[in-house]
Amino acid sequence: GEEVAQTPKHLVRGEGQKAKLYCAPIKGHSYVFWYQQVLKNEFKFLISFQNENVFDETGMPKERFSAKCLPNSPCSLEIQATKLEDSAVYFCASSKSGQGRETQYFGPGTRLLVL
Amino acid sequence: AQSVTQLGSHVSVSEGALVLLRCNYSSSVPPYLFWYVQYPNQGLQLLLKYTTGATLVKGINGFEAEFKKSETSFHLTKPSAHMSDAAEYFCAALNSGGYQKVTFGTGTKLQVIP
Repeated sequence: GEEVAQTPKHLVRGEGQKAKLYCAPIKGHSYVFWYQQVLKNEFKFLISFQNENVFDETGMPKERFSAKCLPNSPCSLEIQATKLEDSAVYFCASSKSGQGRETQYFGPGTRLLVL
Repeated sequence: AQSVTQLGSHVSVSEGALVLLRCNYSSSVPPYLFWYVQYPNQGLQLLLKYTTGATLVKGINGFEAEFKKSETSFHLTKPSAHMSDAAEYFCAALNSGGYQKVTFGTGTKLQVIP
């Protein structure tokens, strides 16, 4: 597609439940990025993929967070045993390449609320 | 580590007035710079970007920004504000020498007063 698609738009989970978010990058884009936007608009880089390979996971919390980009499937970000502080908007972005000047195109985000 | 600073979390302008949103970066090597706009409950839309070449960059919706290396700045301007410009604006940077890992500023909420 011509836009980054993210599902679901909204997700509500009780503390301790699992949350799974999906991202379909723009067709032809080989890089996918996940960002977390918490209160006060702070964006935190989580992880990036080059096709199905993890490229940079330095922003991923070691525990509870995992992500995958499998061939012919949407990418996913999964949070095991959600905590209140996981409440945020999770954005996915894609770009043609990892070159610095390439624009990252962002999806509409998934709003996760952990109660 | 690279950082992006946006001065003023809230900016109010009258409709038709000049819009000026400030952005400064800290990097020993000039990065690539971007301005994104976020409307309520929506994702980020790219307004404009600077990579190399002309330092005055024109974007969509009448916005432009000027890269000033001596001031490490990339301020966003629009000559005449429109009600539809009310949104959150994010300045972002990424290392020109490396691959993409965007660093965002904390955003500036623009209010346009009729």
